[in-house]
Amino acid sequence: AQSVTQPDIHITVSEGASLELRCNYSYGATPYLFWYVQSPGQGLQLLLKYFSGDTLVQGIKGFEAEFKRSQSSFNLRKPSVHWSDAAEYFCAVGSNFGNEKLTFGTGTRLTIIP
Amino acid sequence: GAVVSQHPSWVICKSGTSVKIECRSLDFQATTMFWYRQFPKQSLMLMATSNEGSKATYEQGVEKDKFLINHASLTLSTLTVTSAHPEDSSFYICSARDPWGEGEKLFFGSGTQLSVL
Repeated sequence: AQSVTQPDIHITVSEGASLELRCNYSYGATPYLFWYVQSPGQGLQLLLKYFSGDTLVQGIKGFEAEFKRSQSSFNLRKPSVHWSDAAEYFCAVGSNFGNEKLTFGTGTRLTIIP
Repeated sequence: GAVVSQHPSWVICKSGTSVKIECRSLDFQATTMFWYRQFPKQSLMLMATSNEGSKATYEQGVEKDKFLINHASLTLSTLTVTSAHPEDSSFYICSARDPWGEGEKLFFGSGTQLSVL
């Protein structure tokens, strides 16, 4: 069975600092990996996804993620965070292209301090 | 992008009553909708998959008689929590699949926080 681990429940970074959110997955075949962001009172918004090809994926809002098969990881990064990035971030794994039966991690809450 | 509207955003009910949550795709026809539940500090767990005009498919461990799902039209799916109990208190979120969407095909509602007293 597939699973996702987000080891950091809560991260606090200063505005302008770099960010890395960790995600490890467990899946027997080629995974399809996603990062979603959820702002308070809003639905989940897709930041980026990886299906195949280049292991460094660019997403919206300046985010990127790198798929590392050897480490079973798909960490999310941003070089310089903005106060508006404060939100909950979820990593998810699916088993087929466009498969919506996603398995989510527990999420990482990001707090930005001035 | 496409919009999925979920209503209500939050609801408080007495134990033993039933609560209905609606999930609407506002600008596309969703052949498939999904219902998730999230307990505090836990991940979103898929409860069921609903296809328009057919019975929902429930994940293992989810009581289909307690969580009634109806997907009567291509733009509306409802989740009814029957005879709610405090342990049903949770955050429920739906998603809808746009089969003809360009690019991203899965869109999420904003969720419903259910509190059962």
